[in-house]
Amino acid sequence: EDQVTQSPEALRLQEGESSSLNCSYTVSGLRGLFWYRQDPGKGPEFLFTLYSAGEEKEKERLKATLTKKESFLHITAPKPEDSATYLCAVQARNYGQNFVFGPGTRLSVLP
Amino acid sequence: DADVTQTPRNRITKTGKRIMLECSQTKGHDRMYWYRQDPGLGLRLIYYSFDVKDINKGEISDGYSVSRQAQAKFSLSLESAIPNQTALYFCATSAYLDTGELFFGEGSRLTVL
Repeated sequence: EDQVTQSPEALRLQEGESSSLNCSYTVSGLRGLFWYRQDPGKGPEFLFTLYSAGEEKEKERLKATLTKKESFLHITAPKPEDSATYLCAVQARNYGQNFVFGPGTRLSVLP
Repeated sequence: DADVTQTPRNRITKTGKRIMLECSQTKGHDRMYWYRQDPGLGLRLIYYSFDVKDINKGEISDGYSVSRQAQAKFSLSLESAIPNQTALYFCATSAYLDTGELFFGEGSRLTVL
């Protein structure tokens, strides 16, 4: 069964304390892996798309990487405004138009 | 104004009632989606539409129906609401699905008592 899991479920960091969030997936034929950010009371906001193992994408303090079984979202020197829930999703070749979303990692960055 | 607008934002209803959640968008996208979000389960696709004449079931369509009234409008209906349909519902749009870039509304929180 195709699955997406994320760890940790929740993470608390001090401002400036770098860390990584994990997204592990088991799908048949990955078409793409996607990261989203979701603020409380808001809809998810797109961050990155990764298509193949070894690919990396960066945006401000965030860098996403992809291997054949997992993706990492690295957060360098985070600030309180980086606090949010981070979702990953995968699209497999046999899913058609569906994404499979993970449950998310809730990140809190304390000043 | 938001590009993807959902109404109502919050709704409390009783078991057996008919509920409609509405979504309108100003992004000019042909593709529209309804997702459901439950704690610990992630977002799950209910229905999607690629144009006014195209409606497709998603992963969890049972108990739901949709209507695509125009390119910009996509409504989700619960014909007879039940408590396990209590959830946060999101409408989304996309131009090209392969980029993974979905544009979400702010959500409609539905509570079925």
